[in-house]
Amino acid sequence: DTEVTQTPKHLVMGMTNKKSLKCEQHMGHRAMYWYKQKAKKPPELMFVYSYEKLSINESVPSRFSPECPNSSLLNLHLHALQPEDSALYLCASSQVGQSFYEQYFGPGTRLTVT
Amino acid sequence: DAKTTQPNSMESNEEEPVHLPCNHSTISGTDYIHWYRQLPSQGPEYVIHGLTSNVNNRMASMAIAEDRKSSTLILHRATLRDAAVYYCILKGNAGKSTFGDGTTLTVKP
Repeated sequence: DTEVTQTPKHLVMGMTNKKSLKCEQHMGHRAMYWYKQKAKKPPELMFVYSYEKLSINESVPSRFSPECPNSSLLNLHLHALQPEDSALYLCASSQVGQSFYEQYFGPGTRLTVT
Repeated sequence: DAKTTQPNSMESNEEEPVHLPCNHSTISGTDYIHWYRQLPSQGPEYVIHGLTSNVNNRMASMAIAEDRKSSTLILHRATLRDAAVYYCILKGNAGKSTFGDGTTLTVKP
């Protein structure tokens, strides 16, 4: 199984809402990633987890809160977002040793903040 | 972070080879060069990667310049399903990976 699943596929939320994005993989990968992708732009790295510990935070605002409860799951908790946070949020996983191993991406969650 | 530069767009005819260039003049000695592609409404998909030597797999080949400051992704026979945005990425040991702006490949029948 080489699939990374993400739920929900689409999410519309108001600026005062709290919501969560979920990502799951069963490939035994111990590195997991969150990316943000605006329309017609490349993905931008947000967070990296390695062995369930946060290893990279690319200066992401605190209204985005990642969580890695176990080796298969990655969550992104959202609170008090702004309309400019509307984007496609991509999850990926890989074996640790990130420079060498390929990443497997999920289909993304398309988020709209109203 | 090391950056990559790619042409915005390229066109190819179906069943002809395609050479997609990427410049990465600030690459460090330990950075791997990865290529991914993204079809509309999908997440990126791994294509190929390498460090110094030219590499081949069932999807494509990659030629790496001797000084490693550029690379070329080669699709040997383009099909309509190869139409996508192709990203050249440098991956360092710290886990960071910086996507270039990508090349939109159009394949004409």
